[in-house]
Amino acid sequence: EADIYQTPRYLVIGTGKKITLECSQTMGHDKMYWYQQDPGMELHLIHYSYGVNSTEKGDLSSESTVSRIRTEHFPLTLESARPSHTSQYLCASSESSREQFFGPGTRLTVL
Amino acid sequence: LAKTTQPISMDSYEGQEVNITCSHNNIATNDYITWYQQFPSQGPRFIIQGYKTKVTNEVASLFIPADRKSSTLSLPRVSLSDTAVYYCLGNTDKLIFGTGTRLQVFP
Repeated sequence: EADIYQTPRYLVIGTGKKITLECSQTMGHDKMYWYQQDPGMELHLIHYSYGVNSTEKGDLSSESTVSRIRTEHFPLTLESARPSHTSQYLCASSESSREQFFGPGTRLTVL
Repeated sequence: LAKTTQPISMDSYEGQEVNITCSHNNIATNDYITWYQQFPSQGPRFIIQGYKTKVTNEVASLFIPADRKSSTLSLPRVSLSDTAVYYCLGNTDKLIFGTGTRLQVFP
């Protein structure tokens, strides 16, 4: 059983609001990732981190930002939400080159 | 990064063996090949990982030829619950998921 958590699971918010999606893992993994996925579509890597104070942008350009101050915590922030940000956001972690563990996801709807 | 190519979709019937092939022509020498399964509204779940030859676990088998330019995921005797999207990843650094293969199992 993977110990990776995301909150909230569902979020409906108005345009222009600042939001932070939380992701935490208790496995001590150095690598953490954020993916964005629309229904029935492929996953897009938007951010990743190889450890504390390390963050990189993924292959899909995103207006979100991330931080990695603690190993177990990798929050994603949108300063000003827009309807185009409506999607599912999946957080994952891994140890070295081994399997990734995914959280349950946050389904974001921006009105 | 190793770009992977898989069939977009496959159909099967319950009880049949399903083989999904993935090509990864420019896989790096130190990269593993990993397969994931994803159900709707859930995050992907690890199925199997290998470097070369054959790997088997309680869920699937993975066949990788000597040149490592392709791999085949084999699901023995599929059931309706195996209906999902299956992704192969040819890199273990910045993990990029392609479009995957949508497997539909019919009764």
